Amino acid sequence: DTAVSQTPKYLVTQMGNDKSIKCEQNLGHDTMYWYKQDSKKFLKIMFSYNNKELIINETVPNRFSPKSPDKAHLNLHINSLELGDSAVYFCASSQGQTYNEKLFFGSGTQLSVL
Amino acid sequence: QQQVKQSPQSLIVQKGGIPIINCAYENTAFDYFPWYQQFPGKGPALLIAIRPDVSEKKEGRFTISFNKSAKQFSLHIMDSQPGDSATYFCAASIVRAAGNKLTFGGGTRVLVKP
Repeated sequence: DTAVSQTPKYLVTQMGNDKSIKCEQNLGHDTMYWYKQDSKKFLKIMFSYNNKELIINETVPNRFSPKSPDKAHLNLHINSLELGDSAVYFCASSQGQTYNEKLFFGSGTQLSVL
Repeated sequence: QQQVKQSPQSLIVQKGGIPIINCAYENTAFDYFPWYQQFPGKGPALLIAIRPDVSEKKEGRFTISFNKSAKQFSLHIMDSQPGDSATYFCAASIVRAAGNKLTFGGGTRVLVKP
């Protein structure tokens, strides 16, 4: 059983399109995250939610909108895709939001914007 | 700007060697330092973590050394094996900050040759 699963694994799309990435965790965790990993492997947090409440919202263009319908799901919708959005997007979860909570990452969604 | 600087970007060692990865941070408010390991096509996974009240922590073949005055910490992989070939990320967070916001270093790709 995959603990943190995200779909799709690969996403190839044209500039200007709108796309969504879905994430689900079956660990019973309260906190979920979206991280972006660029072509140089640099990992940066985008958002975190705790029990469906937005906790962390980094400096991310408002074309990116996370949605958490319940604490087991955190989806990422991206409007008007740009070339610079090409990256690998990782969903993660943790039991809580305290500093030493272990993050469990999904396998990533590789987004390519043409 | 990069708050956690990691070096080297890549490292090749022979089996049994000791790859050493170094990280330096600027923000003195950071007080929790985990290391994550990432295999190709997978999300990062927590390897080991340290708080600044200790100078060294060992878990199996992995050792973190921490120098609070220099604001530096490093990962040593003892008796490295080909299965340790992966990308390693150091990270830092602030214990009392809202949410569990990890700031990652740029990653080090380690290749252990048989």
